[in-house]
Amino acid sequence: QITLKESGPMLVKPTQTLTLTCTFSGFSLSTSGVSVGWIRQPPGKALEWLALIYWDDDKRYSPSLKSRLTITKDTSKNQVVLTMTNMDPVDTATYYCAHRSSHTSNWSFDYWGQGTLVSVSS
Amino acid sequence: EIVLTQSPGTLSLSPGERATLSCRASQSVSSNYLAWYQQKPGQAPRLLIYGASSRATGIPDRFSGSGSGTDFILTISRLEPEDFAVYYCQQCGSSPFTFGQGTKLDIK
Repeated sequence: QITLKESGPMLVKPTQTLTLTCTFSGFSLSTSGVSVGWIRQPPGKALEWLALIYWDDDKRYSPSLKSRLTITKDTSKNQVVLTMTNMDPVDTATYYCAHRSSHTSNWSFDYWGQGTLVSVSS
Repeated sequence: EIVLTQSPGTLSLSPGERATLSCRASQSVSSNYLAWYQQKPGQAPRLLIYGASSRATGIPDRFSGSGSGTDFILTISRLEPEDFAVYYCQQCGSSPFTFGQGTKLDIK
């Protein structure tokens, strides 16, 4: 059974760096074809894909946020970490991590965490 | 970057009716890499369709996906009360892995 759970601060101040951790179980991020992504959703708005890390440590970022994002993995801990620098109130959103695999669902996000709401305010 | 445009923005229908949701891409998407998600208030998105037409595990057969190239359709054959939600398409084949802006399906 695949599960993912996001953790991190609920509130950050403008200009601070946000660090979110995705802790997962039921799969290994060292298995060929597996990746974990981050997606966010401002209140009442659409989903926005942010970043992705592959089993081989290849990484992809949203072009509009690339300069502010870093995604890393710790395979031994079953964790993926996303950092976002220079936070602004417009970054207030629910942040999700999600699993995808070439083996099960043609690279779509088939398992999602519950999401964590991050507010940016002074 | 592939831009996905969903229409309509809101669709008002009654239970038992048929729903047709559209997702149009700014450039061709391999049909292997188009997904549809359902999201209810306060919940994470749920994968419905992958590869443009394959139902995800546990998804009822009233949900079907079709299309290729730049035009994709999600059809719900007979709406159940639990189907009223927001639906998103996503292209999964080339980075950035963009989502559409969503279609809200609400009860008429």
